[in-house]
Amino acid sequence: NAGVTQTPKFQVLKTGQSMTLQCAQDMNHNSMYWYRQDPGMGLRLIYYSASEGTTDKGEVPNGYNVSRLNKREFSLRLESAAPSQTSVYFCASTDRGLSGANVLTFGAGSRLTVL
Amino acid sequence: AQKVTQAQTEISVVEKEDVTLDCVYETRDTTYYLFWYKQPPSGELVFLIRRNSFDEQNEISGRYSWNFQKSTSSFNFTITASQVVDSAVYFCALSEAYSHFNAGNNRKLIWGLGTSLAVNP
Repeated sequence: NAGVTQTPKFQVLKTGQSMTLQCAQDMNHNSMYWYRQDPGMGLRLIYYSASEGTTDKGEVPNGYNVSRLNKREFSLRLESAAPSQTSVYFCASTDRGLSGANVLTFGAGSRLTVL
Repeated sequence: AQKVTQAQTEISVVEKEDVTLDCVYETRDTTYYLFWYKQPPSGELVFLIRRNSFDEQNEISGRYSWNFQKSTSSFNFTITASQVVDSAVYFCALSEAYSHFNAGNNRKLIWGLGTSLAVNP
């Protein structure tokens, strides 16, 4: 079982370039999330998708867009990358909708550097 | 406001020592969940335990144990006889229970900043 798969694992961009982080889960989970992890800031929620066809903003959505392509896939797009978006990005999923009891299954992370 | 504080930024121990990672939380809700996640050097976060606010029983899983005390708003994590493989960053997190009328605030976990544990041989 692959769980949550993120690609790419590493990416270096120049300021202003665009890119898409891909995430796919094979656990038939309904809800998917994108987080970013920064030193001293912990994990912050960028966007989430409660179910196929819906997406909502999290704490730090500015500069990002998302697409819930189908139940399995949830992509994160940076339209015009900025150095402030240098971070490690994590995709996660859960099968319990928006319950506070959610246990998240995380991908391995994508390390993005914007020069 | 909800808040999770992990006061210990870094801890270093020698193998076989016991170590306790502290987690203190703030919430006004009476129903909530607490979590611990582990982030090993490989990077992915792995779920360790979930506890709901009505269950104050301590839990033991092998060398891991958790002490939940509502009176002090703490949910501490102890590793007994630590091993090098326990080296990781450990995160404590808080989630208030889902509420249909306040779904916006309940859709996220409140994370602590993590405690980096180094277990040296």
